[in-house]
Amino acid sequence: QSVLTQPPSASGTPGQRVTTSCSGSSSNIGSNAVSWYQHLPGTAPKLLIYSNNQRPSGVPDRFSGSKSGTSASLAISGLHSEDESDYYCAAWDDSLSGYVFGTGTKVTVL
Amino acid sequence: QVQLQESGPGLVKPSQSLSLTCTVSGGAISSPDYYWTWIRQHPGKGLEWIGQVFHSGITAYNPSLKSRVSISVDTSQNQFSLKVNYVTAADTAVYFCVREGVTAVNAFDFWGQGTLVTVSS
Repeated sequence: QSVLTQPPSASGTPGQRVTTSCSGSSSNIGSNAVSWYQHLPGTAPKLLIYSNNQRPSGVPDRFSGSKSGTSASLAISGLHSEDESDYYCAAWDDSLSGYVFGTGTKVTVL
Repeated sequence: QVQLQESGPGLVKPSQSLSLTCTVSGGAISSPDYYWTWIRQHPGKGLEWIGQVFHSGITAYNPSLKSRVSISVDTSQNQFSLKVNYVTAADTAVYFCVREGVTAVNAFDFWGQGTLVTVSS
């Protein structure tokens, strides 16, 4: 049961900028950090962004995150073909006392 | 480099228990800097947080699964485990074991490859 809402799909051509959003509530995004994950089905998901806008070492600076109120966004600049994947947001939810994930956005590179 | 590897049966009968183990290499599970977590993905669906365990044995569970789930840690073997009781077809999913940072990188930073568990008679 996903508590965070993401658009099901997004697309762009190589080199373009693509964004996806993650909408939550005051008990999750509104009061806790957001992280973002890239997941190619059949493989292990990969951490892209933590603490709303921080990149782990090794993640290209083409990936950026932001948060405002109860929503967060992930942007991919200079889209590459290998960026075609599913993307999920996540945050701790104080009401549920557990983590919640977004519904996921499938990014297609045209 | 930390690596996590899930192991356990790929097929479980309805009403029985599902048991999986995650072996951690390249880092100590006894570190106070991490939680050890199970996350699953139903076929064609999104990710679902099942729960977490700290090296001390302290746990937290998804409220929707809490009555059927237990997560434990074995620091001597550098492993942690998941047990789901009274499984149904709705428990069919790919199960991932994951490390979550507590301090510096407070997110799910290392994931296992995942293991598919099918509930069927």
